[in-house]
Amino acid sequence: AQSVTQLDSHVSVSEGTPVLLRCNYSSSYSPSLFWYVQHPNKGLQLLLKYTSAATLVKGINGFEAEFKKSETSFHLTKPSAHMSDAAEYFCVVIYSGGYQKVTFGIGTKLQVIP
Amino acid sequence: NAGVMQNPRHLVRRRGQEARLRCSPMKGHSHVYWYRQLPEEGLKFMVYLQKENIIDESGMPKERFSAEFPKEGPSILRIQQVVRGDSAAYFCASSPGQGENYGYTFGSGTRLTVV
Repeated sequence: AQSVTQLDSHVSVSEGTPVLLRCNYSSSYSPSLFWYVQHPNKGLQLLLKYTSAATLVKGINGFEAEFKKSETSFHLTKPSAHMSDAAEYFCVVIYSGGYQKVTFGIGTKLQVIP
Repeated sequence: NAGVMQNPRHLVRRRGQEARLRCSPMKGHSHVYWYRQLPEEGLKFMVYLQKENIIDESGMPKERFSAEFPKEGPSILRIQQVVRGDSAAYFCASSPGQGENYGYTFGSGTRLTVV
């Protein structure tokens, strides 16, 4: 069965330091992988997506993620955290076959300390 | 292009009342999906609709919940006789076609609070 695991429910970093949000998936097929961000009381915004092109994907606001098939991981990184990055981040996996196989992780809340 | 519009943003209902959540997809999108986000959980698929058709409602609770996407107007998620456990954020997404290659655009959600 397909699943996605976000390894940390909360991550706290200081402003200006690197961000690492971890995501692992389980799959027998090649998935499409996404990261979404949700700011408090806001909707979901697409940060980036991987769809079997380059393994290193660049997204908005300086975020990027690397698809590692051998590790079944798709970790989200940013070299330098900004206060405005404080939000909840969701790793999303979509398996070939469509809509109901859109699987969300439970989310990682990122806190940025001044 | 206004994106996916959901209203209301916040909805408060007393137990036993009805809740109606509306979703207008992006222009040109004829596929609508509803998800529910419960506290400390990820988003769970509820229902997938195309114009005038329910394609898959396997994620919908068997009772009190219904959805429609009429030929004209927004998609409606209707919850009858709400209970405290229905309190959640409900998100709508739309796409121009079925499948991951089309991408999904999400609305800002409706936060339902049952008191």
